[in-house]
Amino acid sequence: AQSVTQLDSHVSVSEGTPVLLRCNYSSSYSPSLFWYVQHPNKGLQLLLKYTSAATLVKGINGFEAEFKKSETSFHLTKPSAHMSDAAEYFCVVSASGGSYIPTFGRGTSLIVHP
Amino acid sequence: DAGVTQSPTHLIKTRGQHVTLRCSPISGHKSVSWYQQVLGQGPQFIFQYYEKEERGRGNFPDRFSARQFPNYSSELNVNALLLGDSALYLCASSQNIDNTGELFFGEGSRLTVL
Repeated sequence: AQSVTQLDSHVSVSEGTPVLLRCNYSSSYSPSLFWYVQHPNKGLQLLLKYTSAATLVKGINGFEAEFKKSETSFHLTKPSAHMSDAAEYFCVVSASGGSYIPTFGRGTSLIVHP
Repeated sequence: DAGVTQSPTHLIKTRGQHVTLRCSPISGHKSVSWYQQVLGQGPQFIFQYYEKEERGRGNFPDRFSARQFPNYSSELNVNALLLGDSALYLCASSQNIDNTGELFFGEGSRLTVL
């Protein structure tokens, strides 16, 4: 069994300040973890993924995430928010040993103020 | 290269009717998955097809069915529509069967059931 919990439904930041979107997961197997972004009326786009290589993963648009097995966390960060980062962000787990069906979190809405 | 394309983009149906949604994957991708995204929630897995065979099924009633064609395009069918079926239906394609790689999403078909 696997699950994903995104700890904040909304995160509000000012442009130029750091972004932290929190994600905890549970999985009976070694997980693959992903962050996807969804802009209004658009499909989802992959930001980054972790698949048992380096625990610090760098993605597109300056985002990165750190896999912490001891804390079962995969938080998404960015040093400096841009207005164009305003969107819905989804944390996803897909575990080996099972059926590889991806499980999505409920999403975190990132609001960026000028 | 063309991305994942879905049709129709929007549609309105009444309770009890039937709907067919269509998806064309990225060229070369043999895996197609379908997701239901209810407003305010993350996508929920419905089906995965790989090489024209069903490889995974989510927790959805038998009113939901799908198939994949020799050219790897796919259809999602929903019978006896309920109000609760109103959602954004997303199609994703990938190269791998195991969902450890990137999923490429279309922009979705927004279904409204009245």
